[in-house]
Amino acid sequence: KQEVTQIPAALSVPEGENLVLNCSFTDSAIYNLQWFRQDPGKGLTSLLLIQSSQREQTSGRLNASLDKSSGRSTLYIAASQPGDSATYLCAVSILETSGSRLTFGEGTQLTVNP
Amino acid sequence: GAGVSQSPRYKVAKRGQDVALRCDPISGHVSLFWYQQALGQGPEFLTYFQNEAQLDKSGLPSDRFFAERPEGSVSTLKIQRTQQEDSAVYLCASSFVSRIETQYFGPGTRLLVL
Repeated sequence: KQEVTQIPAALSVPEGENLVLNCSFTDSAIYNLQWFRQDPGKGLTSLLLIQSSQREQTSGRLNASLDKSSGRSTLYIAASQPGDSATYLCAVSILETSGSRLTFGEGTQLTVNP
Repeated sequence: GAGVSQSPRYKVAKRGQDVALRCDPISGHVSLFWYQQALGQGPEFLTYFQNEAQLDKSGLPSDRFFAERPEGSVSTLKIQRTQQEDSAVYLCASSFVSRIETQYFGPGTRLLVL
């Protein structure tokens, strides 16, 4: 059974700092990996999607890397801002014939202090 | 519509009551997913539809949970004889094609069973 772990569970940083969120998964037979952002009381917003054949994806101040063989992904946030405060969730999509369910980690709660 | 919508946004139910949660996916999206998110946890897969066909219901926690999507668009998740452990946020997501597209999430329905 695929298990996804995120470290740290919570992180508090001053504004402007660069930071790294970590995600690991136990079964490397994934189709893709996504990073989501969740604000309190709201749904999930997809930030980056990395296909299994890719090594990284970038969007603005965000960069996500994927090392499928070691079962790891990192989300790098440059020059953090208070508006980045949210819970960040990592999810993997596994290869199966019936669909593409996502298996999520428990998330990292990020607070960026002004 | 512009995104995935869910209703109601909040539901308080007495233990033993039946509830129905609605999801309106993005128009034209073939795939629809339901997830359950307990407080402080990542979402967990419940069930998956491709058009009107329920292709995977392996995540439904008990036979009290039932989902349908009769016309391949709107979906309803029904929980019979609710229990306190059913208290969670129920998230709906849709995608155009299951495997290669990102899933777009609704805001969720927060269910509290007293």
